[in-house]
Amino acid sequence: GAVVSQHPSWVICKSGTSVKIECRSLDFQATTMFWYRQFPKQSLMLMATSNEGSKATYEQGVEKDKFLINHASLTLSTLTVTSAHPEDSSFYICSALSQGQLTYEQYFGPGTRLTVT
Amino acid sequence: GQSLEQPSEVTAVEGAIVQINCTYQTSGFYGLSWYQQHDGGAPTFLSYNALDGLEETGRFSSFLSRSDSYGYLLLQELQMKDSASYFCAVVRTGGFKTIFGAGTRLFVKA
Repeated sequence: GAVVSQHPSWVICKSGTSVKIECRSLDFQATTMFWYRQFPKQSLMLMATSNEGSKATYEQGVEKDKFLINHASLTLSTLTVTSAHPEDSSFYICSALSQGQLTYEQYFGPGTRLTVT
Repeated sequence: GQSLEQPSEVTAVEGAIVQINCTYQTSGFYGLSWYQQHDGGAPTFLSYNALDGLEETGRFSSFLSRSDSYGYLLLQELQMKDSASYFCAVVRTGGFKTIFGAGTRLFVKA
């Protein structure tokens, strides 16, 4: 399957600082990428849909000014957590969409574990 | 809104067959996906059903009945490494967003 990378794999930051997470599709072009958040022992919660060349679409309850998403190219989307707080500590996972008429595959990055102190 | 129901836990022995069911309610249904996630890792795509019927990929098969809003994942010849969480996920029209179920924790015993 396709490969999606995420960087960094883990990060610790202080409360009030900002953190940028990169998501890259390494061997295919993805017009659509998704960002998820997952708390321990819970399911993945979709945060936003990132579309190349246009503004991201945020899910209800997700603050777009706090979680800035930029889909600068067909292989790169970034998520910036601004003014991070301890409650933002979570596992952030991106995915890239490969979709055909009857096929649909999301290729997930390895995730970024964010800890805000 | 949308909802997905799947069992929280399933236990089976090595070599056995296990079926994980998923029922869903959603508007704009496009298809049903299944993912595997080991502790500490990211989800891995297993299968996708857009049409009714069975899709087979090696030891894993997935089934969909759109009229019943129901699907299942079938794992055959269970191995210890299959111990993981399995998520069913609805793919919706209009942006192809994926909404995940709560997950089923599978424990495979020797």
